[in-house]
Amino acid sequence: EDQVTQSPEALRLQEGESSSLNCSYTVSGLRGLFWYRQDPGKGPEFLFTLYSAGEEKEKERLKATLTKKESFLHITAPKPEDSATYLCAVQGTGYALNFGKGTSLLVTP
Amino acid sequence: DAGVTQSPTHLIKTRGQQVTLRCSPISGHKSVSWYQQVLGQGPQFIFQYYEKEERGRGNFPDRFSARQFPNYSSELNVNALLLGDSALYLCASSLADTDTQYFGPGTRLTVL
Repeated sequence: EDQVTQSPEALRLQEGESSSLNCSYTVSGLRGLFWYRQDPGKGPEFLFTLYSAGEEKEKERLKATLTKKESFLHITAPKPEDSATYLCAVQGTGYALNFGKGTSLLVTP
Repeated sequence: DAGVTQSPTHLIKTRGQQVTLRCSPISGHKSVSWYQQVLGQGPQFIFQYYEKEERGRGNFPDRFSARQFPNYSSELNVNALLLGDSALYLCASSLADTDTQYFGPGTRLTVL
């Protein structure tokens, strides 16, 4: 059974203080690993798709990396508007996305 | 281009009632998936449809059903509502069944 574990559950950073969020996974036949951002009461907003170990993708202050067992979402010099819950999901041989519980990020000025 | 749209935005029902939630995918997308998200958890997969056929079903009771129409929009039906059905119901669309899924704003269902 596919499993996704995200850590930490919550993270508080000062503006400009870089950090990383972790997503550990077990899946049979990885089709893709996905990162989403979710604001309270809203639907998840797509950030990245990673398909194979060694792949990296960047968007503004965010960079996602993938190994065979985990993915990291690196946040460089975060701003208060980066505060949100970050969700990681894997798609295996089925069609469903299996999500972790998310990391709640708070960036203070 | 418009994103995924869902209606209604909010819904309040009482136990035992039935509810229908609606979703319109991004133009050109042929696959729609439904997820349930309770507070503090990640979304849980309910159904996926592609080209009007069910491609996958999550671990939900038969009270939950869905369908996809020829224009690729979709409905999720939940019968005999329970208090535990209170959640944010999310619809996601993708070009095909294995492509990146883009989510709508969700429907907040409260069961009293």
